[in-house]
Amino acid sequence: GNSVTQMEGPVTLSEEAFLTINCTYTATGYPSLFWYVQYPGEGLQLLLKATKADDKGSNKGFEATYRKETTSFHLEKGSVQVSDSAVYFCALSDHNSGYALNFGKGTSLLVTP
Amino acid sequence: SAVISQKPSRDICQRGTSLTIQCQVDSQVTMMFWYRQQPGQSLTLIATANQGSEATYESGFVIDKFPISRPNLTFSTLTVSNMSPEDSSIYLCSVARDRAVFGPGTRLTVL
Repeated sequence: GNSVTQMEGPVTLSEEAFLTINCTYTATGYPSLFWYVQYPGEGLQLLLKATKADDKGSNKGFEATYRKETTSFHLEKGSVQVSDSAVYFCALSDHNSGYALNFGKGTSLLVTP
Repeated sequence: SAVISQKPSRDICQRGTSLTIQCQVDSQVTMMFWYRQQPGQSLTLIATANQGSEATYESGFVIDKFPISRPNLTFSTLTVSNMSPEDSSIYLCSVARDRAVFGPGTRLTVL
């Protein structure tokens, strides 16, 4: 079955540091890949997505590239801000599941001034 | 993209009681999904709800505990039955077109 593995948190960074959150997946077929973000006290929001191999999703300075050869979708940001403190979830869906999502366990990010 | 509302936004319930959560979408959708997010955990799919047919439940979830209704293409309910403290979670409904959109969630606390 489909599954997502992402790096354990919490991750604590200083403002303007470089961020990488690793995500790898197992899937049959050709899934779409997503990063969702959950800010403190808020609901889940789509951060970025990629629907096929070599696609790069980007939003708010975050990027992730769909790497089929390594089954990975690592999230990166060149310079994090305090406002990026949140929980980040990697997820996948495939057309067979009708876009139901398999989520990773989430990675908590804390950015300090 | 679709806009989803959920009621109630939060509730505190007694052990052994049941709570029905409503999910309303502003447009017609074929498939709706119910997820659970336990404290400090990720989201887990409970079931997929299609209009006009019985919901399809994921492993570990059963209809007697989480009955779902899907009376039309814009509405669904999830009932958490015979609650215990372990059911304390955020329950979210979701719909999907080109991407999944989530409702704001219902925060349930069972005492």
